[in-house]
Order: sequence, then C-alpha cells, then structure tokens
Amino acid sequence: QLQLQESGPGLVKPSETLSLTCTVSGGSISSSSYYWGWIRQPPGKGLEWIGTIFYSGNTYYNPSLKSRVTISVDTSKNQFSLKLSSVTAADTAVYYCARLRLERRRMGSVDYWGQGTLVTVSS
Amino acid sequence: QSALTQPASVSGSPGQSITISCTGTSSDVGSYNLVSWYRQHPGKAPKVMIYEVTKRPSGVSNRFSGSKSGNTASLTISGVQAEDEADYYCCSYAGGSTVVFGGGTKLTVL
Repeated sequence: QLQLQESGPGLVKPSETLSLTCTVSGGSISSSSYYWGWIRQPPGKGLEWIGTIFYSGNTYYNPSLKSRVTISVDTSKNQFSLKLSSVTAADTAVYYCARLRLERRRMGSVDYWGQGTLVTVSS
Repeated sequence: QSALTQPASVSGSPGQSITISCTGTSSDVGSYNLVSWYRQHPGKAPKVMIYEVTKRPSGVSNRFSGSKSGNTASLTISGVQAEDEADYYCCSYAGGSTVVFGGGTKLTVL
C-alpha cells in the first residue's frame, strides 16, 4: 500500500522560506505513470494546487506561486520536496503531498494523499 | 488561472439524489476530459470519487457518477447517505501542465 508522509517545520517566520519533504513508501517515485505534487488548504478554505514534479525532474507550477516555489526530487531517497520563499500569513495552510496519475498523457487525478501537515506563518 | 466555480453548499435528505456543478472555461473543463471529484471529511485528506469525468475508482460506490457538458462538469450522488456529508471539490487539467481546483461545496444531509 502506497503511503506518503510530509515532514518539516510547523512554524515559519514571515519572509522566510517554508521547506517540506514528502517521503514515499510502498512504491517507487521513479515511475513514468505518475507525477508527484503539493497541494495546500488554508484553514477553512479550499484546495490549491501548488506544483508538480515528474521523476525525471521536470517541474510544473501554479502561475500564481511560480516565482516563489521550487519542487525537487531525490529518487535515491524516494522523496520529493517543496520550498516556498518569502512567506506571509496568507501561506498558512495544511500542506498535502500527493501522487497524480498520468491520464490521457496529461496530469490527471490525485489517487494518493499524505495526511497533511499544518504550517503556520507567524513571528 | 481562476478557480473553478462550485456552489458553496447543497443539501438533501437521505435517499434523495443531489448534483454538484463545477463550471470552468474553454481552457480547462471545456477542453479536456480530465475532471476529477474529491470528497473531504473534516480533518481528513481528500479522497478521489470520480476521475476522467465519468470513471469511478475501485471501491467507490456506484451511487457516485460524473458527467460533463461544455464548460460545466457535474457530480451526482444517488441515494444520499449520512456518510456522504462532507466537502466536495472538483479539479480539472487546465493546459500548460497545470491543474485547477474548484472552491468546494459543502454537502449537508438533512
């Protein structure tokens, strides 16, 4: 059974960089059938796609966050990571890592989610 | 890239059918058969209920069905049950290797 687990600080100061890692177990991150991504949900609000990476290292970002986001992959550790720079209170959210299926040769649905981790931006 | 439009809330009595709409544009919902729907209970991660507009993952009840017409996708739950009370989100491929979510709909089972 595939499992994804987010890890990283739960509290980040304004203007600093948020860093999270997702560890994948029960399956290989080096599969050409899936993308790996980050999705966030501010408290009481909806889901927002942050970005996605393919095992080859190709990255795809939400245009509204692109200037601040970096997603990377470490296939040797079966992990992928998120960095979000210059954070503000508006970046406070539950951050989910996720696996997205390759459907019709494009980015498709999310079939596995991590449990989510709350990151609060506050001084 | 704007969020897909969903009604904020819908409600239904047990046994009734309800439909949740998800309106996008010709750049996302209207152009690709890559709409998925997720159910999220409070404090839990979302769970996919429908993918590629109409397909149900293994283990998802056949009470859940999806459809699309033009720029609007829909999720129908037949015979609503108490366990279906949750937030529902649609999601669509939006071109340029991006995806976009809807704002979410709260389903209340009366």
